[in-house]
Amino acid sequence: EVQLVESGGGLVKPGGSLRLSCTGSGFTVSNAWMGWVRQAPGKGLEWVGRIKSKIDGGTTDYAAPVKGRFTISRDDSKNTIYLQMSSLQTEDTAVYYCYYYSDYWGQGTLVTVSS
Amino acid sequence: DIVMTQTPLSLPVTLGQPASISCRSSQSLVHSDGNTYLSWLQHRPGQPPRLLIYRISHRFSGVPDRFSGTGAGTDFTLKISRVEAEDVGVYYCMQPTQFPPTFGGGTKVEIK
Repeated sequence: EVQLVESGGGLVKPGGSLRLSCTGSGFTVSNAWMGWVRQAPGKGLEWVGRIKSKIDGGTTDYAAPVKGRFTISRDDSKNTIYLQMSSLQTEDTAVYYCYYYSDYWGQGTLVTVSS
Repeated sequence: DIVMTQTPLSLPVTLGQPASISCRSSQSLVHSDGNTYLSWLQHRPGQPPRLLIYRISHRFSGVPDRFSGTGAGTDFTLKISRVEAEDVGVYYCMQPTQFPPTFGGGTKVEIK
C-alpha cells in the first residue's frame, strides 16, 4: 500500500527557513515523479514544485512564486523527499501536501509564517 | 500558464440526486503524445486530496462508479450519478499537460 507521511511543519518568522519531509512507503521514491502542493487558508490548491524520477533525470521544477526560495531534494536511502523553504513570507502560510504523481497524497503539514 | 475555470463555485445537492461540475481550460489539454491529461481530485474536510479521475474519464483505484468524467480538448465534466453524504467536499480539476501544472478554483459540493 502506498503511503506518504509529511513532517516538519510549524511556526516560523518572516524571512526564516523550514524544511519539510515526505517519506514514502509501498514504493520507491527515486522511481517516481513526486512533488508538493499547498493550500493557503480559505484558498484552493496551488502547485509548488516537483522532482522527476531518477530515470527521467531527477531534475526539479518550481512554481514562479517560490522559485529561488524553495528547493526540492531527495534522499534515496531514506525513501524521502524534502522541501527546503527559505526567505519565507506570510503568503507562504499553508498546508503543504506531498504527492506521488497525482495518484497518492500525504496528510499534509501546516506551515505558519508569522511574527 | 493554463487557466482552469470551474463552475459552479458551490453546488448544493439533495442526497441521491445527480451532480455535475464543469471545468474549462484556457488551452487544449491534448499532449504531444496524443493523450489528454485532465484529472479530478476530491478534497474532503480534514483529509488529503484524493485522485478520482485521470485522463478525462479513467476512474482511479477504489473510486466508486457513481463518479464519471467526460470531455475533450478544453471542456470537461465530472458527474456524480447519485450524491452520497461522504461526497461532501471540494472538487478540483487539474492539468499536468503543460508546465506548470494548474488547478481549477474548486467546486464545493454540499448537501441541501
